[in-house]
Amino acid sequence: GAVVSQHPSWVICKSGTSVKIECRSLDFQATTMFWYRQFPKQSLMLMATSNEGSKATYEQGVEKDKFLINHASLTLSTLTVTSAHPEDSSFYICSASRQINYNEQFFGPGTRLTVL
Amino acid sequence: DAKTTQPPSMDCAEGRAANLPCNHSTISGNEYVYWYRQIHSQGPQYIIHGLKNNETNEMASLIITEDRKSSTLILPHATLRDTAVYYCIVRVLRGGADGLTFGKGTHLIIQP
Repeated sequence: GAVVSQHPSWVICKSGTSVKIECRSLDFQATTMFWYRQFPKQSLMLMATSNEGSKATYEQGVEKDKFLINHASLTLSTLTVTSAHPEDSSFYICSASRQINYNEQFFGPGTRLTVL
Repeated sequence: DAKTTQPPSMDCAEGRAANLPCNHSTISGNEYVYWYRQIHSQGPQYIIHGLKNNETNEMASLIITEDRKSSTLILPHATLRDTAVYYCIVRVLRGGADGLTFGKGTHLIIQP
């Protein structure tokens, strides 16, 4: 149990376009979902915290107008990278916490974004 | 959350126990020690967590020193599939949920 999926697993887009990444909790309800970013040979960095039905909370230095987060249901959160640029190329990973047990975060497999 | 210090890399022979250390000398009384690992190009995977008692599950054992300033993650019989970056994270358990702060971790390489 406690499976989190992401779609797509990888995407290549042109500079200036927008890209949407989906994060789904497949077998549990996730009150809170998190979005991380990981550049090559670096650690994961928390971008934002997403609570169902409310606005996301962004970490310092993360532009909320550029990285749009929507958490419309207890099983789905989306991250839209707007007007993507090559420096946005990264590995984007989501995680979800179960309503019942906040101790664990379950991570998705990640989405590799390449902006040309 | 308290900071952690881990060696950047370690080697271990396949079939042997892998012992990964973590220092967290500024840990406070209500902070737990968590371990995650990340296999290359995948999302992190939860391994184990503990407060002050030693913990064991199907994946690993966690040994926390009595003063709680350091801990060791033990993979009892390492396999090639255990090659990954292992992250030791110290955090408070809150009623809600907080994002995790990942350090640089230890790159564990299991040698055949």
